[in-house]
Amino acid sequence: KQEVTQIPAALSVPEGENLVLNCSFTDSAIYNLQWFRQDPGKGLTSLLLIQSSQREQTSGRLNASLDKSSGRSTLYIAASQPGDSATYLCAALPNTGGFKTIFGAGTRLFVKA
Amino acid sequence: NAGVTQTPKFQVLKTGQSMTLQCAQDMNHEYMSWYRQDPGMGLRLIHYSVGAGITDQGEVPNGYNVSRSTTEDFPLRLLSAAPSQTSVYFCASNNRGANTEAFFGQGTRLTVV
Repeated sequence: KQEVTQIPAALSVPEGENLVLNCSFTDSAIYNLQWFRQDPGKGLTSLLLIQSSQREQTSGRLNASLDKSSGRSTLYIAASQPGDSATYLCAALPNTGGFKTIFGAGTRLFVKA
Repeated sequence: NAGVTQTPKFQVLKTGQSMTLQCAQDMNHEYMSWYRQDPGMGLRLIHYSVGAGITDQGEVPNGYNVSRSTTEDFPLRLLSAAPSQTSVYFCASNNRGANTEAFFGQGTRLTVV
């Protein structure tokens, strides 16, 4: 059974710092890996989706990588800003068993001004 | 741009009552899903649909029913509410194909007393 883990559960950094959020998954047979942002009391917003055949995706200050062999994905945030404060979740879609996305519990990020 | 709309935003139920959480999307997406989010546990898939007339169970389907009579609507029914169903419920949709980003509604916060 696929399990998705995110470490750390919470992170506090000063503004301007580059940071890495980690996501690990137990089964490498995935269709894709997606990163989301969730603000308090809000729904999820998709940030980046990496297909199983891809190694990374970039959007602005965000870069997500995927290493299926080691069961890991990282989300790199460059030059962090207070507006980046949110919870970041990763989700893996297994390539068998239907459209059943598995989410990690998230990393709560706080960027101090 | 409405995207994915969930109603109601908040609901309090008494144990044993039934209710329907509404979800509608205006993007002509084929895939729709229902999740629940509990503190420290990330999102867990309840039910999903890959098209009108087609539904399947997710990770935690017990106590919930769904139907998909149109592409736009995917209601979630609680048959007999229990305190364990106190949670925040999110509906999501994806365009045709699994390798597309998910769009989420703003959530329904349900309390069962």
